[in-house]
Amino acid sequence: DARVTQTPRHKVTEMGQEVTMRCQPILGHNTVFWYRQTMMQGLELLAYFRNRAPLDDSGMPKDRFSAEMPDATLATLKIQPSEPRDSAVYFCASGFSGDTQYFGPGTRLTVL
Amino acid sequence: AQKVTQAQTEISVVEKEDVTLDCVYETRDTTYYLFWYKQPPSGELVFLIRRNSFDEQNEISGRYSWNFQKSTSSFNFTITASQVVDSAVYFCALSRFSGGSNYKLTFGKGTLLTVNP
Repeated sequence: DARVTQTPRHKVTEMGQEVTMRCQPILGHNTVFWYRQTMMQGLELLAYFRNRAPLDDSGMPKDRFSAEMPDATLATLKIQPSEPRDSAVYFCASGFSGDTQYFGPGTRLTVL
Repeated sequence: AQKVTQAQTEISVVEKEDVTLDCVYETRDTTYYLFWYKQPPSGELVFLIRRNSFDEQNEISGRYSWNFQKSTSSFNFTITASQVVDSAVYFCALSRFSGGSNYKLTFGKGTLLTVNP
């Protein structure tokens, strides 16, 4: 049963620290998405990759967030420096082109 | 711009009742996908269904059924004979069908369903 995996599942850090979240998409999927879920904003897209190339990162604060796909099996989302307002659940999802997106279990980030 | 509205913020029912979750969407695209996802208390997002905009047939899967009406831009979800395990937040979502690079999901705010024993 293929699944998207994300690490870490929980992260507590202090303001100003760097945070790195990792995602392993389902083997064979060529699109990877990063979403953020908060009570106030709901689920919102941060970045989107197709065939490892970034296609849409308009939802991401550029000054502190960065997303990459070093290879087809790994996507990363970094926050540097982190701020309390970044506290949220970060989801990675993968799919094949325009097909259904399957979500990972999420990383719950708390920035103190 | 695409928009999904789930007007029901919370619904509470007693086990075995039928319940319908409403979803209304807005899009300028002529072809698109509609989705429902379930988020149980454990937090993961579980895919339930995807429909193409050109396929208005209703779908049934066990106790779940979906009613897609293009004329009213609605894609409602009904759970028949609800069970406590159905308690979750349910999200309706919309994406473009094809012909571009933007397949991002636009989500509604979600409906919290509580099924009481």
